[in-house]
Amino acid sequence: NAGVTQTPKFRVLKTGQSMTLLCAQDMNHEYMYWYRQDPGMGLRLIHYSVGEGTTAKGEVPDGYNVSRLKKQNFLLGLESAAPSQTSVYFCASSYDFIYTGELFFGEGSRLTVL
Amino acid sequence: RKEVEQDPGPFNVPEGATVAFNCTYSNSASQSFFWYRQDCRKEPKLLMSVYSSGNEDGRFTAQLNRASQYISLLIRDSKLSDSATYLCVVNSNAGNMLTFGGGTRLMVKP
Repeated sequence: NAGVTQTPKFRVLKTGQSMTLLCAQDMNHEYMYWYRQDPGMGLRLIHYSVGEGTTAKGEVPDGYNVSRLKKQNFLLGLESAAPSQTSVYFCASSYDFIYTGELFFGEGSRLTVL
Repeated sequence: RKEVEQDPGPFNVPEGATVAFNCTYSNSASQSFFWYRQDCRKEPKLLMSVYSSGNEDGRFTAQLNRASQYISLLIRDSKLSDSATYLCVVNSNAGNMLTFGGGTRLMVKP
């Protein structure tokens, strides 16, 4: 049972390069999320989706774009990477939006922007 | 002021000790509260929800104080395997997002 899978696990970029992080879930969840985690900052929500074809901005959306073309996949794109985007990125999915509180996370993707 | 605040620690305790963490939140309208556990370089996982009347799961007890806007997590009889970062999670001002605290690191020593 794979759960939530993120690719790639690690990536080093140069400033200005672009890349896409892929998140796939096999639990048939409607809701998917992208968070970033920085030391001392906790997890901060970048973008989220409440279903196939929908996306919405979270707390820190600037510099990122997302797409949810298929229910099981949620892509996070960086069009022009900046050193401030060096972080650990976590994808998560859930059965419902908020009230059960159970988010299922992927293992994380460590991104370094030089 | 951060929406959800936690003492980052670390809390260093011996095996068998009882330890408690608090977490304060700024939005009085928040309705849902949770504790997550995150091991070093791993993803967060739900530890337990926090109910208004307080709730217990084995050695773990969670409580909510709405008047003072804080939640707490009590761990009794600490084990080495309890060493982790504990994240406080609250639904946000907008009601449609979960906001994570910065986490409290616990280190249980032999």
